[in-house]
Amino acid sequence: QKEVEQNSGPLSVPEGAIASLNCTYSDRGSQSFFWYRQYSGKSPELIMSIYSNGDKEDGRFTAQLNKASQYVSLLIRDSQPSDSATYLCAVNDFGNEKLTFGTGTRLTIIP
Amino acid sequence: GAVVSQHPSWVICKSGTSVKIECRSLDFQATTMFWYRQFPKQSLMLMATSNEGSKATYEQGVEKDKFLINHASLTLSTLTVTSAHPEDSSFYICSARDLAGATYEQYFGPGTRLTVT
Repeated sequence: QKEVEQNSGPLSVPEGAIASLNCTYSDRGSQSFFWYRQYSGKSPELIMSIYSNGDKEDGRFTAQLNKASQYVSLLIRDSQPSDSATYLCAVNDFGNEKLTFGTGTRLTIIP
Repeated sequence: GAVVSQHPSWVICKSGTSVKIECRSLDFQATTMFWYRQFPKQSLMLMATSNEGSKATYEQGVEKDKFLINHASLTLSTLTVTSAHPEDSSFYICSARDLAGATYEQYFGPGTRLTVT
């Protein structure tokens, strides 16, 4: 059974610091990797996608993928209180449209 | 771009009645739409995968006769919760994949909060 593991947190980070979120996955066939942000009571919002090894940067967000070690991470620089949310890691296999989600990491940015 | 809407955003119904939830992709055509359910403080649970013009594929343990899915066009999928009971109260969220996209990104609707009394 495919698994996506995340530390449930809560992860508390001071405002302005770097928040580091990690995710591991069990299926070596996984091809696409996504980070979603979900505010309490709201639906998930796609913030990053990454498909190849290495780093991908988008504004304050950097996604890192290491397929050999089967982990993907999300770094949030200059953390803001508005970044406080649950972050969901999702992966899928080539040719499979379904995403497998982790249980999410709850992030709290402390002013 | 990639906007998905859902209607209604919340609904309260009596036990035994049926409720229909609409999911629309507003600025793109969706090859596939997905229906999820999320209980408080839990992660997303995929209920079914819906392709335009064909029958939905349900996940194990999801009753297909209770959760009816119709994907009538490339921009509209509906979920009908039949004979709803209080245990069906949950947050129902749809997502859609862009027909023109070469990736597997899913864009989520805002969700529908169902309360069955």
